[in-house]
Amino acid sequence: KQEVTQIPAALSVPEGENLVLNCSFTDSAIYNLQWFRQDPGKGLTSLLLIQSSQREQTSGRLNASLDKSSGRSTLYIAASQPGDSATYLCAVVGNTNAGKSTFGDGTTLTVKP
Amino acid sequence: NAGVTQTPKFQVLKTGQSMTLQCAQDMNHEYMSWYRQDPGMGLRLIHYSVGAGITDQGEVPNGYNVSRSTTEDFPLRLLSAAPSQTSVYFCASSYRLPNTGELFFGEGSRLTVL
Repeated sequence: KQEVTQIPAALSVPEGENLVLNCSFTDSAIYNLQWFRQDPGKGLTSLLLIQSSQREQTSGRLNASLDKSSGRSTLYIAASQPGDSATYLCAVVGNTNAGKSTFGDGTTLTVKP
Repeated sequence: NAGVTQTPKFQVLKTGQSMTLQCAQDMNHEYMSWYRQDPGMGLRLIHYSVGAGITDQGEVPNGYNVSRSTTEDFPLRLLSAAPSQTSVYFCASSYRLPNTGELFFGEGSRLTVL
């Protein structure tokens, strides 16, 4: 059974700092990994999708990397802003036809002005 | 584009009542799924479907029922609501593998069972 872990559960940083969020998974037979942002009381917004054949994806100040062999992904946020404050979730899709996703519990990020 | 639409957004039930959460998508996605999210936790898969007429159980299926009669709709039924089913429910859809599998989510349905 796939298990996804996100550490730390919460992170507080001053504005302008570069930071890294971690996601680890136990079964390396994944099809893709997706990072989401969730604001309080809201739904999930897709940030980046990395296919299993890719090593990283970039969008603006965000960069996500994937190392299947070690079962890890990182989300790098450059020059953090208060507007980046949210919960960040990662999800992995298993390498089966069902395409079921397994989610981590998320990292809650607070960026202080 | 409407994307994934969930109704209702909020619902209060009494223990033992039944109800249906609606989910519709207009992206012609084969794969649809229901998740629940409890405070401080990630999303747990309840049921999923890989196409019309095909459904299967996820991680936490007890107390819920689904059907998939069309590609667009995937309703979630609570048969006899219990306080433990108080949660936020999310519906998601994606193209079936081997396409990208990128998940698209609805805005959620917040359910309280008294």
